[in-house]
Amino acid sequence: DTAVSQTPKYLVTQMGNDKSIKCEQNLGHDTMYWYKQDSKKFLKIMFSYNNKELIINETVPNRFSPKSPDKAHLNLHINSLELGDSAVYFCASSEGSGGLSLFGSGTQLSVL
Amino acid sequence: EDQVTQSPEALRLQEGESSSLNCSYTVSGLRGLFWYRQDPGKGPEFLFTLYSAGEEKEKERLKATLTKKESFLHITAPKPEDSATYLCAVQASRWGPLVFGKGTRLSVIA
Repeated sequence: DTAVSQTPKYLVTQMGNDKSIKCEQNLGHDTMYWYKQDSKKFLKIMFSYNNKELIINETVPNRFSPKSPDKAHLNLHINSLELGDSAVYFCASSEGSGGLSLFGSGTQLSVL
Repeated sequence: EDQVTQSPEALRLQEGESSSLNCSYTVSGLRGLFWYRQDPGKGPEFLFTLYSAGEEKEKERLKATLTKKESFLHITAPKPEDSATYLCAVQASRWGPLVFGKGTRLSVIA
């Protein structure tokens, strides 16, 4: 199946821990994104990469560090997790300069 | 700042009762407007892209239209399986991200 896949689906952790979310796409797209969906279901861009190069870096705490080892993968590492980081994180990809983006199924992060 | 406003926030319809969802936008320049459907616990699923005023796209019971200030998602004779949150997003610049509205939560009752 051609898709954007992210793991894990659920992540429950304690405050102060460090965690990573992985994302892979097999669509041949060269642009990938991380979005955050808060408790009110509002979806907002965090980062985007094109061919492993950072294109967009919204106002996100520097505890969040994206890493793109190749254009098919964009991982998200979060240091020193805080209660306010609890949300659903979506990975997405698109071809070229953005626009039509296809989304993964999300990672629900719960910080206790 | 680019903004997308969707209304209503929630809509409850009887099966077969047609209606429209609204997406109004304020952007410096529109490269594209996108409609997505999101089911609980899942990622947004792409429905339509519209690029210029006057453009229309159709898929089954859904039809999306675009003017210079807003887009409508018309739902004709909806079925319970159309229940979902419908998200509207715009891309304002090349390499720009999608800017999403807060969505319309649609419930279709049999």
